[in-house]
Amino acid sequence: NAGVTQTPKFRVLKTGQSMTLLCAQDMNHEYMYWYRQDPGMGLRLIHYSVGEGTTAKGEVPDGYNVSRLKKQNFLLGLESAAPSQTSVYFCASSYVARYNEQFFGPGTRLTVL
Amino acid sequence: AQSVAQPEDQVNVAEGNPLTVKCTYSVSGNPYLFWYVQYPNRGLQFLLKYITGDNLVKGSYGFEAEFNKSQTSFHLKKPSALVSDSALYFCAVRFYGGSQGNLIFGKGTKLSVKP
Repeated sequence: NAGVTQTPKFRVLKTGQSMTLLCAQDMNHEYMYWYRQDPGMGLRLIHYSVGEGTTAKGEVPDGYNVSRLKKQNFLLGLESAAPSQTSVYFCASSYVARYNEQFFGPGTRLTVL
Repeated sequence: AQSVAQPEDQVNVAEGNPLTVKCTYSVSGNPYLFWYVQYPNRGLQFLLKYITGDNLVKGSYGFEAEFNKSQTSFHLKKPSALVSDSALYFCAVRFYGGSQGNLIFGKGTKLSVKP
């Protein structure tokens, strides 16, 4: 099993450009999440999904959109990138119950100039 | 407000000595508690969790953690540190109430183990 994979691994954007980050999991998990990690701030939840076709806002959703058209994929979009969105983005997935741990992808390092 | 705190930004330990990475939480109900480790340029890896029952939880790589309800703490411990344990450690908490997405992370503690 590949677990949770993310593409791309690195990306540099100019302010105002758009891009989509792809997350894929092969563990048949219902729940998927997008986080951003910034120095000294831990991980903050951007959006999450509790199943195919459903999405919900997390702690810091502004400037991002997501889609979950297939159970195994969770896409994070930036429509008009801003320097404040420079960060490392992690995708995670988990089984249904609240006590289940989340499995994380390797991350995408995004720089917005 | 629900929150989790890791009071130390960095912990320095000599190889072979015991290590403790601290975590405290604030909650209005009962928590599920997790520890994750992050090696440089990698994603987070799950170490252990507390759900219910025995307050001492054992996890991967010889780590353990003790849940203390009265002190609202969940400190990570290891009897004998290895240089390879050097990494960033995150405590996280999810509460019985609230939405499924609310896994709250601490800001992380950098563990440095010197030979």
